Amino acid sequence: DARVTQTPRHKVTEMGQEVTMRCQPILGHNTVFWYRQTMMQGLELLAYFRNRAPLDDSGMPKDRFSAEMPDATLATLKIQPSEPRDSAVYFCASGLLAPANTGELFFGEGSRLTVL
Amino acid sequence: LAKTTQPISMDSYEGQEVNITCSHNNIATNDYITWYQQFPSQGPRFIIQGYKTKVTNEVASLFIPADRKSSTLSLPRVSLSDTAVYYCLVDLYNQGGKLIFGQGTELSVKP
Repeated sequence: DARVTQTPRHKVTEMGQEVTMRCQPILGHNTVFWYRQTMMQGLELLAYFRNRAPLDDSGMPKDRFSAEMPDATLATLKIQPSEPRDSAVYFCASGLLAPANTGELFFGEGSRLTVL
Repeated sequence: LAKTTQPISMDSYEGQEVNITCSHNNIATNDYITWYQQFPSQGPRFIIQGYKTKVTNEVASLFIPADRKSSTLSLPRVSLSDTAVYYCLVDLYNQGGKLIFGQGTELSVKP
């Protein structure tokens, strides 16, 4: 059963520390999204990639966040330095953009980040 | 990107049919309408997608009027396990756009 895998599932860190979240998209999918979810803001789109190329990262705080896809099987989201306001659940999702495709996105279980 | 408006919350009872309506007055010609479901502590899950008229699958039905300025997700005979947040999205994803989630509708199903 193909699924999106995210690590770590939970992370507690102190302010100022670097945090790296990883995502393994479903094999064969050509689009990867990073979302952040908080009670106050809901689901926010941070960045997305197509065929490993970044298409839009306007939702990310550029000074501290960075997103990359070093290869087709790995997407990373890095926060450096982390701040308490970054505490949230971070979701990765992948999909296959292709003619006649429904455009369904498959979400991982999320990485819950707590910055003290 | 088209903005969507949905009720913040809805209550229902087991066995009832639930209809959640979403308004998207500025929907573009190429936009599709997609609904996702999210349970606590899980990522959203695709329910159904449509462009016009009616679409039905094993989980739900989606009704889209001719002007496409709104859509209604219909859940037949809900159970307690249908308690979740339901998101309506309109997007150009099928054409290469990005998926923006709104506030969603928190559905609470009671015994």
